[in-house]
Amino acid sequence: AQSVSQHNHHVILSEAASLELGCNYSYGGTVNLFWYVQYPGQHLQLLLKYFSGDPLVKGIKGFEAEFIKSKFSFNLRKPSVQWSDTAEYFCAVKGYQTGANNLFFGTGTRLTVIP
Amino acid sequence: DAGVIQSPRHEVTEMGQEVTLRCKPISGHNSLFWYRQTMMRGLELLIYFNNNVPIDDSGMPEDRFSAKMPNASFSTLKIQPSEPRDSAVYFCASSLFGSGSSNEQFFGPGTRLTVL
Repeated sequence: AQSVSQHNHHVILSEAASLELGCNYSYGGTVNLFWYVQYPGQHLQLLLKYFSGDPLVKGIKGFEAEFIKSKFSFNLRKPSVQWSDTAEYFCAVKGYQTGANNLFFGTGTRLTVIP
Repeated sequence: DAGVIQSPRHEVTEMGQEVTLRCKPISGHNSLFWYRQTMMRGLELLIYFNNNVPIDDSGMPEDRFSAKMPNASFSTLKIQPSEPRDSAVYFCASSLFGSGSSNEQFFGPGTRLTVL
């Protein structure tokens, strides 16, 4: 079965610090990968996605993620965080060969940015 | 595009009452998902539909929960009878399923359910 692991449950950073959130998935075939963000009291919104092509994906608000197939990873990065980046971040994977189109979500990483 | 629409946004009810949550997916999308989010259990997939047909309901917690999708533009999630442990935020999401699609899911604003 597919699964997604987000090892960091809560990350606390000061403004301007660099961010890297880990995401590992278990599916060995072709995948679609996603990072969603959930701001306090809001719904999940897409930050970025990997579908095919360049494994370095750039998303909104200065976020990027790198798909490393050999490591089954899709880590999220941002060179300089802002207080407004305080939110929960979810990694998700969709495997192509399962015949299903649901996404498997990680348990989320809560990011707190201190001004 | 109005996005995924959910109603009500907030629901407070008493234990034992029936609760019905509603969702209108994005026009043209053919997959619809119901999730539940709580502090203790995080984000859980309850059920999803492709082309109005339930595909996987293994996440539905028990028989008190039921979901329907009578047409491509409407779905309901019903809890009868409701219990305090059902208190959560329920999200509906929709996506376009098919060859070449990235399967990105678009989430609605959620319904915050409180069962007293």
